[in-house]
Amino acid sequence: DQQVKQNSPSLSVQEGRISILNCDYTNSMFDYFLWYKKYPAEGPTFLISISSIKDKNEDGRFTVFLNKSAKHLSLHIVPSQPGDSAVYFCAASAFKSSGDKLTFGTGTRLAVRP
Amino acid sequence: NAGVTQTPKFHILKIGQSMTLQCTQDMNHNYMYWYRQDPGMGLKLIYYSVGAGITDKGEVPNGYNVSRSTTEDFPLRLELAAPSQTSVYFCASSYSKGRGTYGYTFGSGTRLTVV
Repeated sequence: DQQVKQNSPSLSVQEGRISILNCDYTNSMFDYFLWYKKYPAEGPTFLISISSIKDKNEDGRFTVFLNKSAKHLSLHIVPSQPGDSAVYFCAASAFKSSGDKLTFGTGTRLAVRP
Repeated sequence: NAGVTQTPKFHILKIGQSMTLQCTQDMNHNYMYWYRQDPGMGLKLIYYSVGAGITDKGEVPNGYNVSRSTTEDFPLRLELAAPSQTSVYFCASSYSKGRGTYGYTFGSGTRLTVV
């Protein structure tokens, strides 16, 4: 049972344009969401997070939007740069029931074309 | 500041053999985790620890064992290796203040092949 779903395995975007990566979840107990970025042969690195009490969090070029009613979140990267080419994982936690353990999606591979 | 260090980076293991994947962190994080990543799949939690002497099973613990004798170290033991354990293994740590707002710090992974 995949509780966190990233239905697009890959995405290709022109440099300078917006990249939008999507994530859906099924567990209504999830109350904290994170995005991780992973380059080949490296571990994932934390990118940005959002609590369920918010619907938007912004950090430079990266913005995460949360729609709790739709159980959907998205990561916007504006403007996209070639260095953003990586695999992006969505992750979620349900602190009250399972502490800090994260449930990860399957990832979306982003390619930013020069 | 080395962060989370995993060794080895690559290893080929024969079916039925055993080995230990090492993980060390120098950030004084109280929480540590082991995940595996199979091709096209997300990261699956194997075991985790909330502090020295305390470990618990994750989503896919069968075939693995862990121990946490110190804050810094969290080794993962594979007993009687099977081809299904071919995967990339990631160790991670986090500093939990009861909210997990700091995210995880991951190691660079161990690519294990069982033949």
